[in-house]
Parts: sequence; C-alpha cells; structure tokens
Amino acid sequence: GAGVSQSPSNKVTEKGKDVELRCDPISGHTALYWYRQSLGQGLEFLIYFQGNSAPDKSGLPSDRFSAERTGGSVSTLTIQRTQQEDSAVYLCASSLRQGGTEAFFGQGTRLTVV
Amino acid sequence: AQKVTQAQTEISVVEKEDVTLDCVYETRDTTYYLFWYKQPPSGELVFLIRRNSFDEQNEISGRYSWNFQKSTSSFNFTITASQVVDSAVYFCALRGDEGFQKLVFGTGTRLLVSP
Repeated sequence: GAGVSQSPSNKVTEKGKDVELRCDPISGHTALYWYRQSLGQGLEFLIYFQGNSAPDKSGLPSDRFSAERTGGSVSTLTIQRTQQEDSAVYLCASSLRQGGTEAFFGQGTRLTVV
Repeated sequence: AQKVTQAQTEISVVEKEDVTLDCVYETRDTTYYLFWYKQPPSGELVFLIRRNSFDEQNEISGRYSWNFQKSTSSFNFTITASQVVDSAVYFCALRGDEGFQKLVFGTGTRLLVSP
C-alpha cells in the first residue's frame, strides 16, 4: 500500500478482554516497529521485527503483550486481559530495512480500556 | 545504550519568530542515524529529515534547517519565521547501525506558535 495502515483506528474495550491490533506496513519494508504513546507522552518502544523474526522484544511491558508478523508483512499486536493502564495510542512504523532508512508511521490505534 | 535528550518540554513563540529545538544524543556506535519527526495535533508522525553520522553537512529545506555537530553530539532543528501551522510536537530520534537496533526517540518538544 501507499502508507502504513493500522486497524482499527479506535478501539474501546472492557477491562479484562483481549484485543488485537493490526498493522499493514508499506509493501517491501522489511523492518516493522510497534510503539505506544500515552496521552501527552513520548513514544515507548514495544517490539521490533526484521522480516518475521523479532530480535528486540525488550519493550513489551508484560507477558500480557505479544506480537507476531507473518509473511514478512502484516503484524498483529495482542493484549490479553486488558487493564486501564493499557489505554494509549499504539503506533506502528515500517522501514525499508533497518539501519539508515527512515521509518514511516501509521495513524495509530487509539485503545481505551473502560 | 542509545539515548536521546530533548530538554525543552514546551516552547511558545509568536508567529514570524525563529525557534531552535535542541536534541542531544548518546551512542557508542561508530555509524548511526539521526531523525526528526513532527506530530501535529492530528496525531500522525511525519518524517522530516534523516542525517547519517558520517555526513556533518548542515541542511536547509525552506524554513527548516538542521545543525548536526558530532563534537557536541547534537542535532538541532531551527524553524525560521515560524507559522501557526508549525505548532506540533517535534521528536528527535536515533538508530545505531550495529546489529539489530530499534529507533530510540526523545521525549519530544511541544512547539506552540501563536498569531
């Protein structure tokens, strides 16, 4: 596609439910990143994929968070048993490769846990 | 470990003023890359510029200019003759080139340009 696409754009869920957030990167981009941005805050790194493998999962805040990427393309971020502190905007970005290429961001998924 | 510091949390200027956003970074990598992103109120992060560590030439793009100085580990961003549309949060970011590296962001500087 022309840009990074994320769905849904908004998600309201009840505490304790599981949610799946989807990211469709720019075609041909091998590197994919997930970040989280709480209201008025900076970007918190969650996980990074190079192809289908995740060499850096260091940012996942707990074992309730997991992510996968299939076919070197679409990625899904899953949050199990959501908590109110999970409420944030989840941003996905992709780049042609890692290293010196810029990352392009999607518009994010705004998750609200009530 | 990589680190990016944007000490200015918020800057307020009046239209047509020049403003400089500071960015200081830390890295042990010999080769690395620096970026600036803009996040307007709509929320989407917009890529502005990339700079390689081996290229210290400053860059100008319209009203925007960037000053990269390896000696002080800084990559500052200047907006000349600011406009209301420049109001946004600006993020500086760093990625090393050794092994698998994530893109590390500063905490951002909120720029408010009033008419």
